[in-house]
Amino acid sequence: AQRVTQPEKLLSVFKGAPVELKCNYSYSGSPELFWYVQYSRQRLQLLLRHISRESIKGFTADLNKGETSFHLKKPFAQEEDSAMYYCALRTTGNQFYFGTGTSLTVIP
Amino acid sequence: GAGVSQSPSNKVTEKGKDVELRCDPISGHTALYWYRQRLGQGLEFLIYFQGNSAPDKSGLPSDRFSAERTGESVSTLTIQRTQQEDSAVYLCASSKGLPDAEQFFGPGTRLTVL
Repeated sequence: AQRVTQPEKLLSVFKGAPVELKCNYSYSGSPELFWYVQYSRQRLQLLLRHISRESIKGFTADLNKGETSFHLKKPFAQEEDSAMYYCALRTTGNQFYFGTGTSLTVIP
Repeated sequence: GAGVSQSPSNKVTEKGKDVELRCDPISGHTALYWYRQRLGQGLEFLIYFQGNSAPDKSGLPSDRFSAERTGESVSTLTIQRTQQEDSAVYLCASSKGLPDAEQFFGPGTRLTVL
């Protein structure tokens, strides 16, 4: 069965420190992985997708099929990065499976 | 342009009553998704509409839940005989329906069943 796991509910880092939000998935087909972000009092929005291989707001994520992971990384955290982050998997049938989210707090 | 809108923003109802939640997608978006998010949980896929194809209802938790969409416009999610465990935020998202198309989310409807 499809599943997305985000093991950390809460994560706190100091400003300027590196940050990594973990995401592991389970899917028998060819996965498409996404990271969504929800800032305080805002809507859920797409941050990045593995297929684009982009860096958005300094964040990157690499799909590791061997480890079935799609961890989100940023070398130097900023206060404005404080938000809720969700990892999501899209199946070939266009269903989306979301993780339970990680709340990131960047301490000034 | 306008984003995805949902109404009402908040709904409080009594156990056993029926509720109807509305989603207005972005114009031209052929795909529409409904999700449920219980407190402290991730988003739970409920149903997916793509153009005129039969909807994917595989995520609906029980036959008390149903959803309709007319063409590529408004969608309504109906919950009959509401139960306390239905209390959640119900999110709607729309996309162009193309491969890799980005989903745009609405603000959600917070449903509380007393």
